[in-house]
Amino acid sequence: NAGVTQTPKFQVLKTGQSMTLQCAQDMNHEYMSWYRQDPGMGLRLIHYSVGAGITDQGEVPNGYNVSRSTTEDFPLRLLSAAPSQTSVYFCASTPLAGVGETQYFGPGTRLLVL
Amino acid sequence: AQKITQTQPGMFVQEKEAVTLDCTYDTSDPSYGLFWYKQPSSGEMIFLIYQGSYDQQNATEGRYSLNFQKARKSANLVISASQLGDSAMYFCAMREGLYNQGGKLIFGQGTELSVKP
Repeated sequence: NAGVTQTPKFQVLKTGQSMTLQCAQDMNHEYMSWYRQDPGMGLRLIHYSVGAGITDQGEVPNGYNVSRSTTEDFPLRLLSAAPSQTSVYFCASTPLAGVGETQYFGPGTRLLVL
Repeated sequence: AQKITQTQPGMFVQEKEAVTLDCTYDTSDPSYGLFWYKQPSSGEMIFLIYQGSYDQQNATEGRYSLNFQKARKSANLVISASQLGDSAMYFCAMREGLYNQGGKLIFGQGTELSVKP
């Protein structure tokens, strides 16, 4: 089991460029989520999904799009990157019926927007 | 209003001593869960311990225990016999509601723990 994988590990973008952060999990988890972590702050929820074809917004969704065409994959798209999106991005997954189960986090993607 | 509050931005503890990291939460949902995560300098999120809102007993996992005081809405993490490898950022998080009903995980701002030799 690879668990939750994220690519790339590190990315530098110029303002206005677009990119997709990839996230995949091989645990057959229905629930997947994207967080961003800024210095001195905890993780904040961007978007989440409870299954293929179903997504919803979290606390800080502006500037980000998601889709969920398969159980395994949950990509995060930045349509026009801004310096304020410089952050570390974590993807996570968990079973939908998981009450006491943790979310399983990927290793993170460090994004720098110039 | 903050849903998860960690009031200690940074703490120091002597190696082999116990330390308590504070966490208070705010929710009106009767079904919630409380988690603690460790984030070392390498950046990964490591799950430590879980406490459910209906659990009668405090959770324990090895050197970690969760002091759950439901009426006070607090869920403090106790690390016994601190080790140098415990130096890290610690996050308290709350799952508000159930995942199959759109529940979400909400994080506090974290406490940076430094263990002194």
